[in-house]
Amino acid sequence: GQQLNQSPQSMFIQEGEDVSMNCTSSSIFNTWLWYKQDPGEGPVLLIALYKAGELTSNGRLTAQFGITRKDSFLNISASIPSDVGIYFCAGQENAGGTSYGKLTFGQGTILTVHP
Amino acid sequence: NAGVTQTPKFRVLKTGQSMTLLCAQDMNHEYMYWYRQDPGMGLRLIHYSVGEGTTAKGEVPDGYNVSRLKKQNFLLGLESAAPSQTSVYFCASTGPKETQYFGPGTRLLVL
Repeated sequence: GQQLNQSPQSMFIQEGEDVSMNCTSSSIFNTWLWYKQDPGEGPVLLIALYKAGELTSNGRLTAQFGITRKDSFLNISASIPSDVGIYFCAGQENAGGTSYGKLTFGQGTILTVHP
Repeated sequence: NAGVTQTPKFRVLKTGQSMTLLCAQDMNHEYMYWYRQDPGMGLRLIHYSVGEGTTAKGEVPDGYNVSRLKKQNFLLGLESAAPSQTSVYFCASTGPKETQYFGPGTRLLVL
């Protein structure tokens, strides 16, 4: 089946630093999504990307959908302690059709922010 | 509007016992999904449903069964629990532009 490789697996940073993480795939996706998961909670959608080359921001978060449709990155600027959590990328094969919205997830990036 | 809810939040089972996890959504979504989350492996799709009365296998369906008798509910069953099924289980439903909304999770420990 499809696989997403997400890196890095974990990051330890100081408050105020910028963070970058990325996902690569062996196959093409039509939609890339970035989720954040807090301890004991379900993943919450941060950013959704629907077009190759698309660059989208959500506050201090910026994500891009790679031109090849096989990769995506997420940047967090000026990190704060509440950014702590696990960040997941997810790829969706088709915005419609027969994929039925199924997602393939990366392994996650564990982010720790030291005050 | 509660979104996606899951019951129970936590359960301990002995090997061979059975149980049912309930997922409910009040957003009138057609598609619903069950995932399991294990350390270092992200979320993996167990089963999904594209509408009331329909179900389909995902990536890791073995040992699980599902039912979607009502549009708002998606049930995940374990007929004979095994320690390998110790995990955190998440339900999700699909909303506008097919982005998925997740429930808070059910933590299952099989001894």
